[in-house]
Amino acid sequence: GAVVSQHPSWVICKSGTSVKIECRSLDFQATTMFWYRQFPKQSLMLMATSNEGSKATYEQGVEKDKFLINHASLTLSTLTVTSAHPEDSSFYICSAVKGGSEAFFGQGTRLTVV
Amino acid sequence: KQEVTQIPAALSVPEGENLVLNCSFTDSAIYNLQWFRQDPGKGLTSLLLIQSSQREQTSGRLNASLDKSSGRSTLYIAASQPGDSATYLCAGVLDRGGSYIPTFGRGTSLIVHP
Repeated sequence: GAVVSQHPSWVICKSGTSVKIECRSLDFQATTMFWYRQFPKQSLMLMATSNEGSKATYEQGVEKDKFLINHASLTLSTLTVTSAHPEDSSFYICSAVKGGSEAFFGQGTRLTVV
Repeated sequence: KQEVTQIPAALSVPEGENLVLNCSFTDSAIYNLQWFRQDPGKGLTSLLLIQSSQREQTSGRLNASLDKSSGRSTLYIAASQPGDSATYLCAGVLDRGGSYIPTFGRGTSLIVHP
């Protein structure tokens, strides 16, 4: 099946720094990718929809200036957590849609801000 | 708003039992539904993907069914083992106003004790 690679799988950063997470579709082109966030013992909540060549669409309550999304090519979307704080510590996962409807998921990134 | 609901939220059973995990979605216009396993602190492992044209998929001791008319999917785990202990998530690719977005349920936390 199709493969979505997410990097890094885990990262620890100091408060105030920025962290970039990459999501790549390895064997298909994805015009649309999705970013999710998971708080402890909660489900995965959609943060934003990333569209190649245009601005991302953010869900209500998600700060677009804090979570910068760039979908510069058909195989790569990036999520940058800017000026990270401990409350941003979470599990982040991306999804790439193939053929308009079949979704494939990255392995996720566990971010810890200290 | 399209939603995905999972019941039960938690389940604790002795080894050897056959289990049924339920997933319901609010709109029958579903493209596909996927079941995942998530171990504590880890990413998602895809278990089964059911296309909207299919009724069920099987992999080893796992069987997943999809009933679009009733908006339900079930994951059946046969002869459960302690290694099956994890959180099980279902995700449906649902139509949200013309955009097809993977939407997760809150998960079922399963404990299989020896």
